[in-house]
Amino acid sequence: AQTVTQSQPEMSVQEAETVTLSCTYDTSENNYYLFWYKQPPSRQMILVIRQEAYKQQNATENRFSVNFQKAAKSFSLKISDSQLGDTAMYFCAFIGDDKIIFGKGTRLHILP
Amino acid sequence: DAGITQSPRHKVTETGTPVTLRCHQTENHRYMYWYRQDPGHGLRLIHYSYGVKDTDKGEVSDGYSVSRSKTEDFLLTLESATSSQTSVYFCATIAGSTDTQYFGPGTRLTVL
Repeated sequence: AQTVTQSQPEMSVQEAETVTLSCTYDTSENNYYLFWYKQPPSRQMILVIRQEAYKQQNATENRFSVNFQKAAKSFSLKISDSQLGDTAMYFCAFIGDDKIIFGKGTRLHILP
Repeated sequence: DAGITQSPRHKVTETGTPVTLRCHQTENHRYMYWYRQDPGHGLRLIHYSYGVKDTDKGEVSDGYSVSRSKTEDFLLTLESATSSQTSVYFCATIAGSTDTQYFGPGTRLTVL
């Protein structure tokens, strides 16, 4: 069975610091996609970044970047120069075999 | 957001009553999904559809049924609502070859 694990239920960092959120997954598939989603208090799910498993290069979107280690099945999210607006729930997600599997989330607090 | 709407956005109902939630998309996406979100569980897949009249179960399908008679609409039905089905329900679609998921705004359902 495919699983996604986020080992950090909650984190807090000071504004402007860098923070890394962890995610590991388990699958027997070779071709798949990985995602990080942000869910602010508004509840809307917002795509932060995506990574195709066949690409070795780590994806980057402005202040957000990932460290994708396919052999280790690890997919961490790094937020640089964190901002108050980054405060949210973050979900790691895996898509394969037509199904999307989510981790349980990491609640991130950015402190002023 | 791929033009995904959900209705109703909020609903309060009583145990034992039937409830239908509607997801509507305007982008002609093939795949559509229903999730429920509960504290400590992240998003869990209820049912999904890979085409008109083609549906399959997710990990928490008991007590739920779905129908997809048109590409744009995916209905989730609780035949006899129970208090354990109090949750926030999200609909999502996949945009074909990019495999990026788009989410609706969510429906908060309370079963008394």
